[in-house]
Amino acid sequence: KTQVEQSPQSLVVRQGENCVLQCNYSVTPDNHLRWFKQDTGKGLVSLTVLVHENDKTSNGRYSATLDKDAKHSTLHITATLLDDTATYICVVGDRGSALGRLHFGAGTQLIVIP
Amino acid sequence: EAAVTQSPRNKVTVTGGNVTLSCRQTNSHNYMYWYRQDTGHGLRLIHYSYGAGNLQIGDVPDGYKATRTTQEDFFLLLELASPSQTSLYFCASSWGDNNQAPLFGEGTRLSVL
Repeated sequence: KTQVEQSPQSLVVRQGENCVLQCNYSVTPDNHLRWFKQDTGKGLVSLTVLVHENDKTSNGRYSATLDKDAKHSTLHITATLLDDTATYICVVGDRGSALGRLHFGAGTQLIVIP
Repeated sequence: EAAVTQSPRNKVTVTGGNVTLSCRQTNSHNYMYWYRQDTGHGLRLIHYSYGAGNLQIGDVPDGYKATRTTQEDFFLLLELASPSQTSLYFCASSWGDNNQAPLFGEGTRLSVL
């Protein structure tokens, strides 16, 4: 059973627009949640990590929130650029140590058009 | 500069063939991982290791062997490849805690005909 669900599956926005990506999960325990960016044909690159209940993080034009009660996270991308075209992957870690597992969502494919 | 290098980047083999995927990390990380990525699925863990000579079974290990020969090198072996193993394979390395993100290689695309 999929424990990390991302929506939408794909999204097309115009350059300069904002967008919001969603991640819902059922992983228990939920030690931390990380968002990755995956360019086409490339590996995953970490954007941000959220650890605590109601955490909020910001990394340039990327900002993220985590609601552990609802087991829900959002990734906001402000003023999108063509280079933001990529797949964004939500990953939930069930422990903080190496004893834990990472649970990967299938990703949201974002396409930014001129 | 921290890096995870995979080779080859692309590989085509036939059913029953023998394939070795290589991964080298220069990050001094203890942990190394092999994942597969398939359309519609999140990355799935095949095998991982916490040091030279160590091997741990992941979530989808059937049909795969792995070997960690040194701190830097981790290999994934498919001794009798099947079409169901056609996938995009990623290697990653980490310290094994959540303070730092795992670092991923750029992937190996394997096709089994």
